[in-house]
Amino acid sequence: QKEVEQNSGPLSVPEGAIASLNCTYSDRGSQSFFWYRQYSGKSPELIMSIYSNGDKEDGRFTAQLNKASQYVSLLIRDSQPSDSATYLCAVRSGTSYGKLTFGQGTILTVHP
Amino acid sequence: EAGVAQSPRYKIIEKRQSVAFWCNPISGHATLYWYQQILGQGPKLLIQFQNNGVVDDSQLPKDRFSAERLKGVDSTLKIQPAKLEDSAVYLCASSLVQSGANVLTFGAGSRLTVL
Repeated sequence: QKEVEQNSGPLSVPEGAIASLNCTYSDRGSQSFFWYRQYSGKSPELIMSIYSNGDKEDGRFTAQLNKASQYVSLLIRDSQPSDSATYLCAVRSGTSYGKLTFGQGTILTVHP
Repeated sequence: EAGVAQSPRYKIIEKRQSVAFWCNPISGHATLYWYQQILGQGPKLLIQFQNNGVVDDSQLPKDRFSAERLKGVDSTLKIQPAKLEDSAVYLCASSLVQSGANVLTFGAGSRLTVL
């Protein structure tokens, strides 16, 4: 079982739709959860972080965390072509040094 | 605030040659990470430093990869000898501390092609 697994994609949605990205993790001791966006040829940039169960909203982005199910998701409302990128789920372990493990990424394409 | 600096941005070498990458983290960031990102995959942690000490190098292929962070500031990652499968982007990142809510800031990466 992979430590962090994302829905395989690629995911294609029309402009204005909701894009839903999912991630599961294996370490029950994980404490912090992040979504990074990576444009082609660029380095990852943080878009959302979430630490407790429930929803966290930031503009068009909503992160959802369910620790019991070991599940994290990212919803992008009113998707725009500029949202087309690879989305990386990252999970920080509960160890003292907080290892950050990434999923394999989901490619999102928003078409006009 | 200056970002994470990496060099070189691109490097092409023949297999069995050696290569070194340099990283200068954000000023004051105690934790430094080297990740390897192969095309189509997520970043994989190679080594994590806290100041100038190693806290995780479990996925570093130690027979060919080495890394150091002298004086707890900048860091060098070396590959010797390189293999074809080492072709990847090597991402350096830093964070203020190593746990909890602190987030990583990535450099632009060093793209390695091994022929």
